[in-house]
Amino acid sequence: SQKIEQNSEALNIQEGKTATLTCNYTNYSPAYLQWYRQDPGRGPVFLLLIRENEKEKRKERLKVTFDTTLKQSLFHITASQPADSATYLCALVAGGGADGLTFGKGTHLIIQP
Amino acid sequence: NAGVTQTPKFQVLKTGQSMTLQCAQDMNHNSMYWYRQDPGMGLRLIYYSASEGTTDKGEVPNGYNVSRLNKREFSLRLESAAPSQTSVYFCASSVDPGQGSHQPQHFGDGTRLSIL
Repeated sequence: SQKIEQNSEALNIQEGKTATLTCNYTNYSPAYLQWYRQDPGRGPVFLLLIRENEKEKRKERLKVTFDTTLKQSLFHITASQPADSATYLCALVAGGGADGLTFGKGTHLIIQP
Repeated sequence: NAGVTQTPKFQVLKTGQSMTLQCAQDMNHNSMYWYRQDPGMGLRLIYYSASEGTTDKGEVPNGYNVSRLNKREFSLRLESAAPSQTSVYFCASSVDPGQGSHQPQHFGDGTRLSIL
């Protein structure tokens, strides 16, 4: 079955630095990969989607890369701010069409002032 | 902008009781989903509905039933609650106009369910 691995330990970053989160997957070749942000007590919020033929995608201070050879996606937040502190989830499409997503367990990011 | 609304927000049940979790979206989305989120397990798909009138099993469907009442509403029912079903339940929706589109999913803020 599809397996997605994200750093289970919290990631502490100094404000202003770039935070880099890793998502590795096995047993599947997804056509799409998505990143979500989740705050305590709230549902996940969509951030970015990247397709297999896109090496990189940017949105404001966010950047996502997708390496289908390494089966890995990297999620970068540049000029990080304390407000960026949250849990970030990587997700792959479980199947074709309107199938649900398969999520990683998420990485808890803490931006220190 | 309500988006995806889930009710109730919190619920405590006794083992063997039944209950229905409600979900409604006002974005005219075709597809709707139910996930559960447990510590150390991440989000797991229970059931989904690609369009009004259709439902399909996800990764962890046992012990649950769903109803896609209309395009807006997708409910999740626990017929005989068990302690293993203690979790946070999230409903989500997406546009999904066709195969391969893989649109982003929009989530509600969850129902926190405890089974004693």
